[in-house]
Formats: sequence, structure tokens, C-alpha cells
Amino acid sequence: DAGVTQSPTHLIKTRGQHVTLRCSPISGHKSVSWYQQVLGQGPQFIFQYYEKEERGRGNFPDRFSARQFPNYSSELNVNALLLGDSALYLCASSYDIFNSPLHFGNGTRLTVT
Amino acid sequence: KQEVTQIPAALSVPEGENLVLNCSFTDSAIYNLQWFRQDPGKGLTSLLLIQSSQREQTSGRLNASLDKSSGRSTLYIAASQPGDSATYLCAVRPISSAGGTSYGKLTFGQGTILTVHP
Repeated sequence: DAGVTQSPTHLIKTRGQHVTLRCSPISGHKSVSWYQQVLGQGPQFIFQYYEKEERGRGNFPDRFSARQFPNYSSELNVNALLLGDSALYLCASSYDIFNSPLHFGNGTRLTVT
Repeated sequence: KQEVTQIPAALSVPEGENLVLNCSFTDSAIYNLQWFRQDPGKGLTSLLLIQSSQREQTSGRLNASLDKSSGRSTLYIAASQPGDSATYLCAVRPISSAGGTSYGKLTFGQGTILTVHP
């Protein structure tokens, strides 16, 4: 079975631009979460979606938004990019939002210049 | 606010040694605790998940324990190998968080960088 897949793997953008990151969960998983990992730190929670509804939001500005589609895939959008948005963006899927383990993709490396 | 701390920040050991990685958390109101491995530039690989009602979990050479009362978890790696070299992260899933529920939110430690040399 395929794991969590993310696209693109790498991305270079300029300050002020907009970016869309994509994630496909493991088949059968209904929840998708997004995390930002800055170099040398642990991942920070951005969003969680379950059954196409937002179920959690971390401490990130409104420039960050996300959605989940009927097939449970998800997009993370970031507007007005800042240099500080440069990070590894990780998507995780899980069967539900309670006690099932999270499975992570390999991430999208975003560089903002 | 939940805070997770991992000690040591980095560890270098010779091949074959048994080792212990430590994780502490400030709020014991958690659903579970999960240990992950991360190779450079890669995503996270789940190693072990311990439910709040459990004391430990084992998988091969790995054993993780959980003591909610003291807010601590340890990851024990037996007979370490160079292929175990990676960053190890622990993460807790809180029962609730300030400002609303985030059932699936994981709070991560900063990780322990493990190097096992031949």
C-alpha cells in the first residue's frame, strides 16, 4: 500500500508569492494534518482536517489556509510568503482523530528567497 | 500549554551499545505518546505508539515506556547499529488544548540526534 504522498518535493518561491502544497493520505485514512518543521526543531502543528472539516488550527497567521477534498486529499495554501516560511512542510494522515497513529509523508521543502 | 523536552540533544555511541533516549512533557492529560525517527531531509517514520493506559510498547530492538504521573517517556534501543543513526522525536497528543480541541494535534520535542559509529 502506498504511504502518504506529498507534492512537490521541493519548491523555491519569492517573497510575496503564493504556494499550494498537496497531500494524499493512506487509503482508508480520513484525517489529514499539516505540520511545519524549521531546521533543527520539531514539527509545529498547523491544521487538522477530518471528514473534510477543520478540526484543529495551530498558532499560524491567516496567510495559512487548507482544505480537504471528498477523496480525503488535502491542500495547504500559503499567501504573501515571507522568508520565515522556509521550512519542511509535513503532511500526516490517520484513520481517525483520536487514538490512531499518525503516518507522515516525506514532506515538501519550501525555500523562500 | 503542553511542552515537550528531549534529552540529550545529541548522542554519539559505538556500535553495539544499548542506549536510552528521554522525553518529558508538562501536561499529563494526553491520549497517547508516539516516537518517530527522521532521517536527514526526510519525513517522519512512526516507531512506537503508547496509549495513555499503557506502560510500554516493544518493537524489535526498540522498547518505549510511559509514566504519565511523572510526565516521562523513554526509548530504549538495544544493540545499536550504524543504521540507527537518525533524529528521534517524541510527540504527545493532548486531550485538549487552549482555545479549543485539537484532537489530532501532536506536540513534538526538539529531537535527539543519534549517531552510531562502527
